[in-house]
Amino acid sequence: DVKVTQSSRYLVKRTGEKVFLECVQDMDHENMFWYRQDPGLGLRLIYFSYDVKMKEKGDIPEGYSVSREKKERFSLILESASTNQTSMYLCASSPTQQDNSPLHFGNGTRLTVT
Amino acid sequence: AQSVTQLGSHVSVSEGALVLLRCNYSSSVPPYLFWYVQYPNQGLQLLLKYTTGATLVKGINGFEAEFKKSETSFHLTKPSAHMSDAAEYFCAVTSNTGFQKLVFGTGTRLLVSP
Repeated sequence: DVKVTQSSRYLVKRTGEKVFLECVQDMDHENMFWYRQDPGLGLRLIYFSYDVKMKEKGDIPEGYSVSREKKERFSLILESASTNQTSMYLCASSPTQQDNSPLHFGNGTRLTVT
Repeated sequence: AQSVTQLGSHVSVSEGALVLLRCNYSSSVPPYLFWYVQYPNQGLQLLLKYTTGATLVKGINGFEAEFKKSETSFHLTKPSAHMSDAAEYFCAVTSNTGFQKLVFGTGTRLLVSP
């Protein structure tokens, strides 16, 4: 079974801090994604990557960056955390670039910025 | 641009009653459609998907959905609700024209009462 692991379940950070959210998948998937989930807004795509060292902006990339140095690991970086980045962050992976391949999600990281 | 509308942020049913969760999409090209479920404190998992072929799609846990092109709908149903179905459900759409990039609806929380 595919396993997508997010390193932290809960994080509390202060405004202005640099924050790293880590995600690892164990099935050699090509594609990885970062979403944020907010009540009433559903899931919104922040960044995605279809190969090592490749990244593409999603719908809401402002204030975020990503890193994919190894195929299995995709990191989301908040350069200077702000209170409006308090949210649930979900990492996902999928095996191919075919549009019908399902996403496999991690359990999420709930980030609070105070 | 693609979009997904889920009618009703909350749906309440009694145990044993019919479950109907509504999803309408907009897409200028043939869509691929998905339903995902999120149980409390977990990530999303795939319930079912429509790509091509038969328009009635069966998924896990007794759920099914029907793709109706004329109505641009992909409603999720289950004949008899169980307490364990209480969760949040997300409809999502992508297309067959390029890199996989799912667009999610805002979600519907299903409440099941005894």
